[in-house]
Amino acid sequence: DAGVTQSPTHLIKTRGQHVTLRCSPISGHKSVSWYQQVLGQGPQFIFQYYEKEERGRGNFPDRFSARQFPNYSSELNVNALLLGDSALYLCASSFRGSLVETQYFGPGTRLLVL
Amino acid sequence: GQQVMQIPQYQHVQEGEDFTTYCNSSTTLSNIQWYKQRPGGHPVFLIQLVKSGEVKKQKRLTFQFGEAKKNSSLHITATQTTDVGTYFCAGQSSGNQFYFGTGTSLTVIP
Repeated sequence: DAGVTQSPTHLIKTRGQHVTLRCSPISGHKSVSWYQQVLGQGPQFIFQYYEKEERGRGNFPDRFSARQFPNYSSELNVNALLLGDSALYLCASSFRGSLVETQYFGPGTRLLVL
Repeated sequence: GQQVMQIPQYQHVQEGEDFTTYCNSSTTLSNIQWYKQRPGGHPVFLIQLVKSGEVKKQKRLTFQFGEAKKNSSLHITATQTTDVGTYFCAGQSSGNQFYFGTGTSLTVIP
């Protein structure tokens, strides 16, 4: 079985543009979480979705939004990009997204904002 | 807000030496997970601790969860070059999100 997949792998944008990142969870997993990892830091939680409903939201501005589709894949959208949005964006999937489940991370999308 | 700190930030060891990283939370955690991230890679789950005072071992790795469930440690015995990477703890308290620690970057010198 394939692991968590993310696309694109790399992306270069300019300030003010918007970006859409995509994630496909492990087959059978119904929960997807998004994280932002700035170089040299730990991942920061952005969103968690379970069964297409938002279950959790981190401390990120409204420029960040996400959604989950009926097939449990997910999109992360970032509007009005800032230089500080340059980071590795990680998607993690789990079966139910409960407190004690293992999260499986995808390879990430490296976003560079110029 | 909740903070999860790790020390040290960097650690260089000779191959064969032991290594320990410590994780401290500002709030009580319901559970804690440990991840390893190789350079250029993504976090890979290592283990989860749930019970107060819990100790788990995976070959040369020993994980501990503090009695107060506010701190944790990862100890590697006799490091190998394959242990190179950044080790993160991730704590979960109330709510449905993890707070990752700042990470400890381990370099093993052959």
